[in-house]
Amino acid sequence: KNEVEQSPQNLTAQEGEFITINCSYSVGISALHWLQQHPGGGIVSLFMLSSGKKKHGRLIATINIQEKHSSLHITASHPRDSAVYICAVHLRTTGNQFYFGTGTSLTVIP
Amino acid sequence: DAGVTQSPTHLIKTRGQHVTLRCSPISGHKSVSWYQQVLGQGPQFIFQYYEKEERGRGNFPDRFSARQFPNYSSELNVNALLLGDSALYLCASSLALVTDTQYFGPGTRLTVL
Repeated sequence: KNEVEQSPQNLTAQEGEFITINCSYSVGISALHWLQQHPGGGIVSLFMLSSGKKKHGRLIATINIQEKHSSLHITASHPRDSAVYICAVHLRTTGNQFYFGTGTSLTVIP
Repeated sequence: DAGVTQSPTHLIKTRGQHVTLRCSPISGHKSVSWYQQVLGQGPQFIFQYYEKEERGRGNFPDRFSARQFPNYSSELNVNALLLGDSALYLCASSLALVTDTQYFGPGTRLTVL
């Protein structure tokens, strides 16, 4: 059983569409991260959340601690948004465990 | 300002050999974390070091070890390599412990034949 589940696994969208990627987790956390990974492996941290909502440009991330759920939204999607989006949680334990979802592969078609 | 750097970028080893991967964090960052990403899967947490002390360890065998030096750079060592160790090894640095924003290096692609 994975501590972090993402959906969908794969997503294809037309340029301009509004996109939502979901992340559910089953453990108590102190923080949740959304990461973007481009082909070739480079990972960029998009957001770190412990409550509420954050916005950066066309990206919005929300988290509901009670429901153990987070969403990443992309407004006015663009082909350059094509990447793998990964949700990762930092457990609220002394072990500093950091669990990752398997990622959502997004392709935005012009 | 330089980002996180890792060396080497690619490495090919044979089963049973030993490998050392290196990571230099962003200047001023005291925390370094190591992750293994097998093709098609999400990264798996291996270790976190902060102020030269191990602060977290993932579910990896004792063949995996790491250390952090006084300049906060880090090495990941893997002994007795197995085919299943073939993966992208990522290093990330942050100012504080892992609840802080992490900055990832480009990774080292290890292939074990």
